[in-house]
Amino acid sequence: QKEVEQNSGPLSVPEGAIASLNCTYSDRGSQSFFWYRQYSGKSPELIMFIYSNGDKEDGRFTAQLNKASQYVSLLIRDSQPSDSATYLCAADNYGQNFVFGPGTRLSVLP
Amino acid sequence: SAVISQKPSRDICQRGTSLTIQCQVDSQVTMMFWYRQQPGQSLTLIATANQGSEATYESGFVIDKFPISRPNLTFSTLTVSNMSPEDSSIYLCSVDIPDRVGEQYFGPGTRLTVT
Repeated sequence: QKEVEQNSGPLSVPEGAIASLNCTYSDRGSQSFFWYRQYSGKSPELIMFIYSNGDKEDGRFTAQLNKASQYVSLLIRDSQPSDSATYLCAADNYGQNFVFGPGTRLSVLP
Repeated sequence: SAVISQKPSRDICQRGTSLTIQCQVDSQVTMMFWYRQQPGQSLTLIATANQGSEATYESGFVIDKFPISRPNLTFSTLTVSNMSPEDSSIYLCSVDIPDRVGEQYFGPGTRLTVT
């Protein structure tokens, strides 16, 4: 059973701080990893994806991948109250579909 | 990304009835996916719908309960049959954009309540 694990939170950070969201996956065959943001009552929105070991930066967001440790993370710099949402980590399933983690609820406090 | 719409956006249904949810994309896509998201939970994949072939169902989901159609490259339907209160959930379709292989984009979802 392929699994993606996340700390459910809530993770609370003050405005302007760095929020660090973590994810581990069970299947070494997974090659691609995705971070989705889901506001309450809305559908998930793709914010980052990463295929290669190392870091990938996009604005205030940095995704990090360590395939040896089967670990993916998302850093949000200069966190804003508008970043408060649930963040879902997903791993590809041999290109067929995704396995989603349970999500981490992030709360950015003004 | 693509523009994805779903109908209805929400519905309240009586147990024992069926509801068909539509998913429409503004461009041709190969793969369409149907997910269920129960309150406070993550996404659970119900099935993958490819045009021209039978849908592929995940463990725990069967065609008799969740029949799916995929008549063309821009449209799919999911029917929730013989509903019970346990089927109350948000149902989401997503698509895999051909030129953005591996990335899935979600429709707005259908909130279903079964009484």
